[in-house]
Amino acid sequence: EAGVVQSPRYKIIEKKQPVAFWCNPISGHNTLYWYRQNLGQGPELLIRYENEEAVDDSQLPKDRFSAERLKGVDSTLKIQPAELGDSAVYLCASSPTGAAKNIQYFGAGTRLSVL
Amino acid sequence: RKEVEQDPGPFNVPEGATVAFNCTYSNSASQSFFWYRQDCRKEPKLLMSVYSSGNEDGRFTAQLNRASQYISLLIRDSKLSDSATYLCVVNPFNDYKLSFGAGTTVTVRA
Repeated sequence: EAGVVQSPRYKIIEKKQPVAFWCNPISGHNTLYWYRQNLGQGPELLIRYENEEAVDDSQLPKDRFSAERLKGVDSTLKIQPAELGDSAVYLCASSPTGAAKNIQYFGAGTRLSVL
Repeated sequence: RKEVEQDPGPFNVPEGATVAFNCTYSNSASQSFFWYRQDCRKEPKLLMSVYSSGNEDGRFTAQLNRASQYISLLIRDSKLSDSATYLCVVNPFNDYKLSFGAGTTVTVRA
């Protein structure tokens, strides 16, 4: 079974440019998460989806960040415009429902460098 | 105060040694605890859940001390392949929100 798939793996952009990341969760996982991981830190939650609904976006900087999960499967995270401080690894994760709901499976991440 | 705090290390140990480290959490009502492993430039992967009675998975032993609000991970007979960052993860409300520590780096040398 395929794991969480993210693309691109790496992205280098200049500040003020837009950027988008894509995530395909594990099949059958209704819950999808976007995290940001800065160097030397643990992942920090940006947004959580239950199917197509964003149920926790309290940590998403909404002035420049947006996300969508239109059909409740794939998701896209966008930054517009990017700032130098956005350089980080953006991780997508998914989890099943039921008893294992708090076990999260991560994708390989997108490493963003803003110059 | 951070929700989850870890000694960043690094812990440099020879092959075959035992290494142990703790993490502390701030929410005394936390329900679920985990250790995730993250290799350099890779994604975090679940290593093991931590149960109240303590649990063991091969060379790895996890303990929970609710009174002092810490969890521990012990690695016996260290292998080169154990070199990684170990993330302490707490689920305060037994729901979907996980709080990650910054990680403890372990380097096992030949």
